[in-house]
Amino acid sequence: QSALTQPPSASGSPGQSVAISCTGTSSDVGSYNYVSWYQQHPGKAPKLIIYEVTKRPSGVPDRFSGSKSGNTASLTVSGLQAEDEADYYCISYAGSNNLVFGGGTKLTVL
Amino acid sequence: QVQLVQSGAEVREPGASLKVSCKASGYTFTDYFIHWVRQAPGQGLEWMGWINSNSGATNYVPKFQGWVTMTRDTSISTAYMELSRLRSDDTAVYYCARTRDRSSPDLGDWGQGTLVTVSS
Repeated sequence: QSALTQPPSASGSPGQSVAISCTGTSSDVGSYNYVSWYQQHPGKAPKLIIYEVTKRPSGVPDRFSGSKSGNTASLTVSGLQAEDEADYYCISYAGSNNLVFGGGTKLTVL
Repeated sequence: QVQLVQSGAEVREPGASLKVSCKASGYTFTDYFIHWVRQAPGQGLEWMGWINSNSGATNYVPKFQGWVTMTRDTSISTAYMELSRLRSDDTAVYYCARTRDRSSPDLGDWGQGTLVTVSS
């Protein structure tokens, strides 16, 4: 299966909101409510921040939110903070016990 | 708390093989799948496949079929990922990750990563 499409970069000033898109197909994002988002700081392992499209694990600030429309999922970071500067990846279930990954988005806090 | 502790950095020559371990603690090992993900320098995440820690069943991404082997030893709560016929473009950080719960495909907990360098 093809990778999910994410913009290579996104940016925003402190306090602003920024949205990152993740576009798949009707075989993955469009068919399942199993889209998850991960935050990765340089030199660190990825961290789950959104699962099942909209849910946050405990400890993840509510500034992070997820949504989905058709074949496109989105991660919104509200009230941007300096520590939000990181790479963000989306992953979708694609059926038959397979996953498909996005290419990643580098978020810069200006 | 859940911990996945991976083996240390490795250097291999092209054509060699490599085995990375991922020791789990803080939960019942056989209740969750373990996935393997790699990340080449400066690149994105690349999914390699998973192993059912209970049954030992595996699912490999087609690209890796024939040269990756995922196994586990339930007696010591450890998963392994072996890559054979290494090439220079296999240089990457390799991560193991546990599914968030028994039925979800989300990757809730990750190991610290193992840097593998393939160079002559």
